[in-house]
Amino acid sequence: EMVMTQSPATLSVSPGESATLSCRASQSVGSNLAWYQQKPGQAPTLLIYDASSRATDIPARFSGSGSGTEFTLTISSLQSEDFAVYFCQQYNRWPPWTFGQGTKVEI
Amino acid sequence: QIQLVESGGGVVQPGRSLRLSCAASGFTFSDYGIHWVRQAPGKGLEWVTVISYDGSNNKYADSVKGRFTVSRDNSKNTVYLQMTSLRAEDTAMYYCAKDLGRRYYFGHGVCDYWGQGSLVTVSS
Repeated sequence: EMVMTQSPATLSVSPGESATLSCRASQSVGSNLAWYQQKPGQAPTLLIYDASSRATDIPARFSGSGSGTEFTLTISSLQSEDFAVYFCQQYNRWPPWTFGQGTKVEI
Repeated sequence: QIQLVESGGGVVQPGRSLRLSCAASGFTFSDYGIHWVRQAPGKGLEWVTVISYDGSNNKYADSVKGRFTVSRDNSKNTVYLQMTSLRAEDTAMYYCAKDLGRRYYFGHGVCDYWGQGSLVTVSS
């Protein structure tokens, strides 16, 4: 099973600053990597797929990069609504489709 | 707009069964695979199962294989998750999610729209 490891577990930032979240795969997943945002009490929402493609209606301040085993989600100029938990997910080798354990972005 | 609405959750004793439903609208339901993903309280996301757009194929996580069965009725735009022999470790919020890919047999793998979830608690 593909293991996805996210770091850091918690990231403390101030509004207006940028945040860089990391996701590492135990084996290469090519560009088959997605990022999701989950706010408290809500379902996840898709932010990025194919490592760097923004989903519908996702603001340009969210960007994804990487390939193979190392991936990054960058949130530039954090807004108050961006404080949430972020999960990466691989869809290269399945089943199962696997998620990272999440990074909490907090103030 | 695209909507997925789960129902059927609740409190159930260990060893008993429960069936979740996921009613979809706002897209051509019969063209897309549907995933179920669960989240134990305070934990991360765990993929559970996927059913293909036509219902002919499915995949399961090892943790539920042989106990959970996914099915769909394209005439009703609904997917079902039949859960049997429930265990305490099955306690979670269960989300259904639409696959990004149109007419991919096992799904593209990306979940582009999610329901709000249905809470299943397995406890005596």
